[in-house]
Amino acid sequence: AQSVTQLGSHVSVSEGALVLLRCNYSSSVPPYLFWYVQYPNQGLQLLLKYTTGATLVKGINGFEAEFKKSETSFHLTKPSAHMSDAAEYFCAVSYSGNTGKLIFGQGTTLQVKP
Amino acid sequence: DTGVSQDPRHKITKRGQNVTFRCDPISEHNRLYWYRQTLGQGPEFLTYFQNEAQLEKSRLLSDRFSAERPKGSFSTLEIQRTEQGDSAMYLCASSPTSNTEAFFGQGTRLTVV
Repeated sequence: AQSVTQLGSHVSVSEGALVLLRCNYSSSVPPYLFWYVQYPNQGLQLLLKYTTGATLVKGINGFEAEFKKSETSFHLTKPSAHMSDAAEYFCAVSYSGNTGKLIFGQGTTLQVKP
Repeated sequence: DTGVSQDPRHKITKRGQNVTFRCDPISEHNRLYWYRQTLGQGPEFLTYFQNEAQLEKSRLLSDRFSAERPKGSFSTLEIQRTEQGDSAMYLCASSPTSNTEAFFGQGTRLTVV
């Protein structure tokens, strides 16, 4: 069965430090990959997505992620954390020819310390 | 376009009561999804509509749950005889047929007391 694993339910960084949120997926077919951000009591906002083509994907707010097929990973990074980045981050997958439904990881809470 | 709209934003109900939530997707989006998110977890897929046809239902969707999308526009999710375990955030998302990106509403938070 397809699944998504996010390593670390809580990540804490200092303002200005590198942000690294990890995501691994298990699948026998190539997935589409997504990172969403969720602020308290809000819906999910798309940060970036990988479907085909270049494996390094740039998103909004300075985030980027790299699809590594050999490692079945899609880690999210940002060179310099800002206080406004504090939120819940979800990695998700879907599959071509499927209904487009998303399978989510359990989420990572990012804390940014001043 | 104001995005995906969900109503109400919050609902508190007594155990055993029925509740209904509404979702208005982005116009011209053929695909509509319902997800459920419990505290500290990622959203879990409940059901999917393409236009007015409900094409997939998760095993999470017990017989107390029913969803409709009449005329392929807005959708409703009804929970009958609510239980405390139904307390969660219910999220609606829509996407165009040809796109893989889903746009989410702000959700309806249900509390069953």
